[in-house]
Amino acid sequence: GAGVSQSPSNKVTEKGKDVELRCDPISGHTALYWYRQSLGQGLEFLIYFQGNSAPDKSGLPSDRFSAERTGGSVSTLTIQRTQQEDSAVYLCASSRGLPGETQYFGPGTRLLVL
Amino acid sequence: ELKVEQNPLFLSMQEGKNYTIYCNYSTTSDRLYWYRQDPGKSLESLFVLLSNGAVKQEGRLMASLDTKARLSTLHITAAVHDLSATYFCAGAPQYGGSQGNLIFGKGTKLSVKP
Repeated sequence: GAGVSQSPSNKVTEKGKDVELRCDPISGHTALYWYRQSLGQGLEFLIYFQGNSAPDKSGLPSDRFSAERTGGSVSTLTIQRTQQEDSAVYLCASSRGLPGETQYFGPGTRLLVL
Repeated sequence: ELKVEQNPLFLSMQEGKNYTIYCNYSTTSDRLYWYRQDPGKSLESLFVLLSNGAVKQEGRLMASLDTKARLSTLHITAAVHDLSATYFCAGAPQYGGSQGNLIFGKGTKLSVKP
């Protein structure tokens, strides 16, 4: 079946602009996660959605970052007023939401802020 | 706060040799994950270890978990070039924070040479 998909695959933007990154999880997966991967910081958790519960935003690095998940499926990560340090690969993952379940990762969006 | 440390961070092996990657974690984690990442690609799930003494094997890779020692190992048997990749271990925080997100180690970059 189809895996996790993300768009765009690459995004180049100018400092100060807003960007939106999209994630389509595996059908039927109730849990959705955003991580980012950068050379300096490795893989960092950003935000976690589980069903209809309030999202866990504890990993968001600043209030410029926000995410929503519509209809329990597609999620959008928004970065406002981008900074150069936001340059990274943003990875989305989904799982069935049960303890011990594997998180399946999408191909990522490579963001470059000039 | 859960911290995950891998060693070594870089590993150059000859084909046919055996080696072990170590993953230590700082506080209780009720599950431990191993992922593989090829250059420019996303993360591929290898193993999920859920209990003390768990051992899983797939081909030339075998992962184990010792929750008392807070240690997981990924053992490579008779390495082949196709195993060249970066390997990440990740734990799931049991207390505080999210019950869903993963905390990743910095990764072990494995290079298998003929």
